[in-house]
Amino acid sequence: EDKVVQSPLSLVVHEGDTVTLNCSYEVTNFRSLLWYKQEKKAPTFLFMLTSSGIEKKSGRLSSILDKKELFSILNITATQTGDSAVYLCAASGSARQLTFGSGTQLTVLP
Amino acid sequence: DTAVSQTPKYLVTQMGNDKSIKCEQNLGHDTMYWYKQDSKKFLKIMFSYNNKELIINETVPNRFSPKSPDKAHLNLHINSLELGDSAVYFCASSGGGISGIYEQFFGPGTRLTVL
Repeated sequence: EDKVVQSPLSLVVHEGDTVTLNCSYEVTNFRSLLWYKQEKKAPTFLFMLTSSGIEKKSGRLSSILDKKELFSILNITATQTGDSAVYLCAASGSARQLTFGSGTQLTVLP
Repeated sequence: DTAVSQTPKYLVTQMGNDKSIKCEQNLGHDTMYWYKQDSKKFLKIMFSYNNKELIINETVPNRFSPKSPDKAHLNLHINSLELGDSAVYFCASSGGGISGIYEQFFGPGTRLTVL
């Protein structure tokens, strides 16, 4: 069975801190790894990673994939209170469906 | 314009009832999905569907059934509702076929409460 594990489960930081969120996966015939941000409602797409070692960047957020070690990290620099959310990692494999991790609850205090 | 919309946003009903949740996407995508998110925020795939293929997560009870009147709609029918069905249900869509490797756009969710 495909599995995605995220850590930590929750994280509390202060504005300006840098955080690293972790995602490890075990999926058959891995195709891609996706990161989503979920605030009060629907998850919103952040990144999709398919190749090892290539960093994807969007503003203060960046992510990288390691297909050898089967993990990905999501970095957020200079955190702001608006970054507070649940960050979800999902992997796609031969089942042709996304398997989600349980998420990391990030709280950024002013 | 809303890309993926769901109705209703909230649904409160009694055990044993049958209910439906509707989903529509105006993105021109060919694949749609239903997810269940429980109280611990764990998001789990229920169905993937395009006009050629339905993939069912084997853990989903057969009381749940997707119905697609056309490519832009995928409704979720639930028969004989149980307390454990209480959750937030998300519809999503993506392009590029049923491979699921493409970005998925999520609807706002339907919070179902079974009393």
